[in-house]
Amino acid sequence: QSLLTQPPSVSGALGQRVTFSCTGSGSNIGAHYDVHWYQQLPGKAPKLLIFANTNRPSGVPDRFSASRSGTSASLAVSGLQAEDEADYFCQSYDSRVSGWVFGGGTKLTVL
Amino acid sequence: EVQLVESGGGLAQPGRSLRLSCTASAFTLGDYGISWFRRAPGKGLEWVSFIRSRPYGGTTEYAASVKGRFIISRDDSKGTVYLQMNSLNSGDTAMYYCGRLSSANRDDAFDVWGQGTMVTVSS
Repeated sequence: QSLLTQPPSVSGALGQRVTFSCTGSGSNIGAHYDVHWYQQLPGKAPKLLIFANTNRPSGVPDRFSASRSGTSASLAVSGLQAEDEADYFCQSYDSRVSGWVFGGGTKLTVL
Repeated sequence: EVQLVESGGGLAQPGRSLRLSCTASAFTLGDYGISWFRRAPGKGLEWVSFIRSRPYGGTTEYAASVKGRFIISRDDSKGTVYLQMNSLNSGDTAMYYCGRLSSANRDDAFDVWGQGTMVTVSS
């Protein structure tokens, strides 16, 4: 069972905006550890999408944005494109298990 | 191009061992902490193990699911991090990835990932 909770699936039509939630607890997001988001395309390695809660690495389109509040974080994708269809994972550090934790992942389907 | 390349995966019988390698190119591996992760079929990503860079002690961390069975090590002269996996069981079947921690701060993101190597544990 993941210490970060994500909905298993989200869907949206081309051009729409979707959001992904990531709920943690007082030993990870609530303890002010940063939240990072990764995109994993089918058959590919995970790719860093957002680091330190809200920041995009070079090359990531500004259609991707993220925020955090309290013990939760969220990722938004606007102007959905077919190539956005992937699994999205949130990640943080957890002081209770003394290790890095991921959400279970959310599969994005673009309709 | 900055990248990590994993190797060493394959088929192993329950109770046997495998050693995975993670080799860096276009950057100095010794400057970074490196983690191993895995993704089992139909499951999400799971952190497995971490080794700090030598300037930060080269110390190691393990997830509870592998502690006492897996050993992470590094040979910076070869630009390689290893994961020795012992007493394998079916629950270890997964694609294994290595990833680079972007700074010495455990709070930071893993900014470079390898393409993965598949481990299948089956009799």
